[in-house]
Formats: sequence, structure tokens, C-alpha cells
Amino acid sequence: QSALTQPASVSGSPGQSITISCTGTSSDVGGYTSVSWYQQHPGKAPKLMIYDVSNRPSGVSNRFSGSKSGNTASLTISGLQAEDEADYYCSSYTTSSTLVFGGGTKLTVL
Amino acid sequence: QVQLVQSGSEVKTPGASVKVSCKASAYTFTNYYMHWVRQAPGQGLEWMAKINPSGGITSYEQKFQGRVTMTRVTSTTTVYMELSSLRSEDTAVYYCARGYDTAILMWGQGTLVTVSS
Repeated sequence: QSALTQPASVSGSPGQSITISCTGTSSDVGGYTSVSWYQQHPGKAPKLMIYDVSNRPSGVSNRFSGSKSGNTASLTISGLQAEDEADYYCSSYTTSSTLVFGGGTKLTVL
Repeated sequence: QVQLVQSGSEVKTPGASVKVSCKASAYTFTNYYMHWVRQAPGQGLEWMAKINPSGGITSYEQKFQGRVTMTRVTSTTTVYMELSSLRSEDTAVYYCARGYDTAILMWGQGTLVTVSS
């Protein structure tokens, strides 16, 4: 299973909004509503930020939102804050009954 | 609160096997899938396998077929991941993670496995 495609890096200033894309195929992202997003700070375990394309777990800021169109899912972070600086990974369920991750995107808050 | 506590770091020689454990607590063990995901140094996340603790049915990423075995002991609410024929490229942090069949919701603290001669 090939990894989903994410930009290697994105950046934004505090208060701005950024969007991270996650492109797959009809066998994963495009075929299911099971797309999730994870935040990972250096040396820490990942943390779930969005599941099932656009649902936020309890405790996650409403500055984080998700969407999907065709084979591409997106994570948008509004009102950027310094603590949002981290690596972000998308994942999707696949037709093989497995999960696949994106390569990860490093978010820099300028 | 819900916890996933993994076993400690391991150092193995090439060709050996490693077995990592993940003890779950504070929830109904059989109601959630358990996944294993690894992360090589400086690299991204890589999904390896999952198990349905209710019936013990497993699913493995094709890349690891034949080398990885995932098991569970319901009486101790513990899941195990064994990886055999280790090579240097298997050096990584291995995470167990609770979730559904289709998604991961929560991660353990990670276990560093180092493969070196």
C-alpha cells in the first residue's frame, strides 16, 4: 500500500489559517469516510485531532477542522498558535482492510 | 483513565526476534481494535497490523506478512506484537494504539527497538 501524499512542510504566522492536504486514491481516501489526522510533537506519541474526515474528539480545539473532496482530504488550522507547531499525519482505511498513513507535514509557526 | 502501557526498550541483533507488549486498562478490552504502528528515526508513521481482541482476528500490512505476529491475552488485557528476522531497518519506535477497525483513536507511549550488531 503506497503512502498517502502530504506536503513536506507548511508554515504560517500566528493568527493565520493553514491547510494541509492528503491525497490518496479511490482505494483509500476516496473510497471511505475513515480519514483521520494526528498531531505529533518531537519525542511524543501522536495525538488524534480529527477522525472520520471531519469529527473532532473531545478536548481538541475547534480551530482544527477536516474535510474531503474526492481522493484528497484536508486539515485546516485556523488562528494559528505557537503550540500548533508540530508534525501532522493523515491516515485512511483501505480496501485491503488496512490503514495507510501520509508521509507527514511539518508545520512551522513563524 | 484509559491507558496503554508498553514494555520497555529492546536491543536486538540482526536475525533475532522481538516481542513487545501493550497492556490496556480502564476500558472494555474487547470493544476496541488494537493496532501497531512504527516510526523509524526521523521518519513518518508506518501501519503494521491490527487485531480484534474479541475474536483474535488479525490483519497485517503486506510488507510485514510472514514476519509479524499479533496476539492478545484477554484475561490480562494485553496485546503482543512479535517481529522476526530483524534487520537494521527495523530500528524504530513501535506504538500500540487503540481504535476501531478503520481508525486509531489513542496511542501508547511507544517502545524503542534497536537492531544492531
